[in-house]
Amino acid sequence: KAGVTQTPRYLIKTRGQQVTLSCSPISGHRSVSWYQQTPGQGLQFLFEYFSETQRNKGNFPGRFSGRQFSNSRSEMNVSTLELGDSALYLCASFPGGNTGELFFGEGSRLTVL
Amino acid sequence: EDKVVQSPLSLVVHEGDTVTLNCSYEVTNFRSLLWYKQEKKAPTFLFMLTSSGIEKKSGRLSSILDKKELFSILNITATQTGDSAIYLCAADSGGGADGLTFGKGTHLIIQP
Repeated sequence: KAGVTQTPRYLIKTRGQQVTLSCSPISGHRSVSWYQQTPGQGLQFLFEYFSETQRNKGNFPGRFSGRQFSNSRSEMNVSTLELGDSALYLCASFPGGNTGELFFGEGSRLTVL
Repeated sequence: EDKVVQSPLSLVVHEGDTVTLNCSYEVTNFRSLLWYKQEKKAPTFLFMLTSSGIEKKSGRLSSILDKKELFSILNITATQTGDSAIYLCAADSGGGADGLTFGKGTHLIIQP
């Protein structure tokens, strides 16, 4: 069973640009959530999608957005990039139920210059 | 605001030592406490704890939750260099993927 796949793995952007990151969850998992990980703040919840609907959103500015497609694949977009957006962006898929276990991808490392 | 605090933030020990990692939480509508291990990029699931006082064990790793004092510990006995990683604690207040609140992690280094 394939794991969570995130693309691209690494990318470098400059301030003011925008970026789109992609996540393919484990087959059969309909929930996808996104986290930002930085050395100073740790992992912070961005948003969660289920069946193409955003169910929850963390405390991030509107420059951070996402969507989910009918095949459960998800994208997140960051517009007007700032230096502080440099981070590892992790996607996690969730099978549902009460296990609480999220399955994480290896992340997309974004560097903003 | 939900908060999870881990201590220590970093720890260096020698192979064979026993370590205890701490996690305290303040979360509304608490449902469970989860531990993850992050070696390179993708955090991997270790334990989920929902009941106080019941130890969960997997090999040399064990964990327990105290819902009265709002904390959890993760113990690793007879540490090995392969245990070197960041250990993340997260509180779940929404069930599953509804936004876990993570601590900043404990960076554990095991020296040979």
